[in-house]
Amino acid sequence: AQKVTQAQTEISVVEKEDVTLDCVYETRDTTYYLFWYKQPPSGELVFLIRRNSFDEQNEISGRYSWNFQKSTSSFNFTITASQVVDSAVYFCALSEAYGSSNTGKLIFGQGTTLQVKP
Amino acid sequence: NAGVTQTPKFQVLKTGQSMTLQCAQDMNHEYMSWYRQDPGMGLRLIHYSVGAGITDQGEVPNGYNVSRSTTEDFPLRLLSAAPSQTSVYFCASSYASELAGVYNEQFFGPGTRLTVL
Repeated sequence: AQKVTQAQTEISVVEKEDVTLDCVYETRDTTYYLFWYKQPPSGELVFLIRRNSFDEQNEISGRYSWNFQKSTSSFNFTITASQVVDSAVYFCALSEAYGSSNTGKLIFGQGTTLQVKP
Repeated sequence: NAGVTQTPKFQVLKTGQSMTLQCAQDMNHEYMSWYRQDPGMGLRLIHYSVGAGITDQGEVPNGYNVSRSTTEDFPLRLLSAAPSQTSVYFCASSYASELAGVYNEQFFGPGTRLTVL
């Protein structure tokens, strides 16, 4: 069965600290996609990144970076020099695919609440 | 583009009442989904659709019905509301890819906060 685990329920840091949010996944598919979404206090879900299983290159976007390691089934998210505006719930998600088709289904982790204090 | 829109934003129901949560998208996306968000449980898939006229069950379908008569609309019906259905409901949509095995990101609506008393 496919599963996404975000073991960190809540993290609290002081502004300008670096913080890493962990995501571990389980799947039997050889082709799959991983996502990170941000849910700020206003409640909407904001797409951050998509990564397919064949691309293990790390990605950096400004203060955000992602480390994908198939060997450990992890897709961790690091925020460098955190800011108060980074305070949100962050979700990691895995695509559920059957063979070569995709069905529009995502499996979400439980989410990690990040609080950045000034 | 308005993106994915959901109505209403808030709703209070009494046990046993029925209602329909509306979802519409103007991006011509093939895929649409309904999720519910409960504290500590992330988002769980209720129903999804891969195109007009095609729907299927997700992880937690009981107590909910869907239909997809047009590409744009994907309403979620609560047949007989129960307190266990108190949750925040999100509708999402995404493109299907012309390439097999390519999975595009989902765009989410603003959510509907439902309370069942």
